[in-house]
Amino acid sequence: EVQLVESGGGLVQPGGSLRLSCAASGFTFSSYDMHWVRQATGKGLEWVSAIGTVGDTYYPGSVKGRFTISRENAKNSLYLQMNSLRAGDTAVYYCARVPRWLQLPDYWGQGTLVTVSS
Amino acid sequence: QSVLTQPPSASGTPGQRVTISCSGSSSNIGSNTVNWYQQLPGTAPKLLIYSNIQRPSGVPDRFSGSKSGTSASLAISGLQSEDEADYYCAAWDDSLIVVFGGGTKLTVL
Repeated sequence: EVQLVESGGGLVQPGGSLRLSCAASGFTFSSYDMHWVRQATGKGLEWVSAIGTVGDTYYPGSVKGRFTISRENAKNSLYLQMNSLRAGDTAVYYCARVPRWLQLPDYWGQGTLVTVSS
Repeated sequence: QSVLTQPPSASGTPGQRVTISCSGSSSNIGSNTVNWYQQLPGTAPKLLIYSNIQRPSGVPDRFSGSKSGTSASLAISGLQSEDEADYYCAAWDDSLIVVFGGGTKLTVL
């Protein structure tokens, strides 16, 4: 069974940093691209970043230069380093598995809440 | 403002057929495939339709997808109360970002 478990969320002050983790199991982690997608309370889904099997990374302009996605295949883990956090980054952050042939998420974790507030 | 445009709401009565549209441009829907996701209240999104028209195993055939030009649609036939959820379309854009629709809240009356 595919499982994605996010952790590392919490309350952080504006300008602060936070590192999210996603523990994957039930599939060959190294063979899949992985994405982070966020959702502010009562709002829609917003794509945050993607990493390919060979470590290629992609970001939207809203987080480029502030967020860094990475992976550690030996630990079946995905990470999101978030710096210079703003109130607008407050959201539930989901990690998602992405088959190469599909190019978009097929399985999602349950999410971890990040709150940026003073 | 989402790159892909969906109606904010849709509704229908049990047994009815409902369609949700997703409008994009030549750089996203026009040149890449579309996925649809269902998000039940308080839960993570679930893949409903992939590659424009395909259903993952376990998704009832009441759900169907289509794409024409720069628009895509999700149709739900034989509407059931458990279909009440938020629905999102998604696609890659040629600028190497993933874009989502703003979501459509489906109410079963």
